[in-house]
Amino acid sequence: DGGITQSPKYLFRKEGQNVTLSCEQNLNHDAMYWYRQDPGQGLRLIYYSQIVNDFQKGDIAEGYSVSREKKESFPLTVTSAQKNPTAFYLCASSMRTGIFDEAFFGQGTRLTVV
Amino acid sequence: AQKVTQAQTEISVVEKEDVTLDCVYETRDTTYYLFWYKQPPSGELVFLIRRNSFDEQNEISGRYSWNFQKSTSSFNFTITASQVVDSAVYFCALSGQGAQKLVFGQGTRLTINP
Repeated sequence: DGGITQSPKYLFRKEGQNVTLSCEQNLNHDAMYWYRQDPGQGLRLIYYSQIVNDFQKGDIAEGYSVSREKKESFPLTVTSAQKNPTAFYLCASSMRTGIFDEAFFGQGTRLTVV
Repeated sequence: AQKVTQAQTEISVVEKEDVTLDCVYETRDTTYYLFWYKQPPSGELVFLIRRNSFDEQNEISGRYSWNFQKSTSSFNFTITASQVVDSAVYFCALSGQGAQKLVFGQGTRLTINP
């Protein structure tokens, strides 16, 4: 089935560690996005990519990094510089850029700092 | 700047009642798109509707209906004869002309009690 797969579903990180969240899509979408969800704050954009080997910072990019080496994959690294990484992370993709098309979301990764 | 406000943090109703979720937006763009997403307990966001700024016609899909009013910058969502399966967090979102991202409201947690 076509869709977006995020892994792992739950992730625990120790203080000072970098961790990478995986996002893969088989929808042949050009655009991919990472959002962070905190209770009562809705979803905030971390990074987005419109094309392979190109990406832009969103509203809360500090402490995060991404890569887009393949159309299907858009991994997010939460670095030790992110002071409050505990949150629910959602990856999304959409077919077109310029005119925002319907975005499809993965099931999310819940990251907890221990 | 673009902004979406969902003033209702939580709503709780008894099954079969009608319920309206409010969404107010701010944008300077003349062309923009409004969305509603549903987030069930599984975490994945499910697309419900997209509406562009030039189409103020109300939309009805089964028990769901949407009322778009540019004069009040509102895009409200009504569930008629609510059911327990409608329990979820609902997000309203906005994308401006040429924008590459969705701006989300804070979300409304809807609980339908049997």
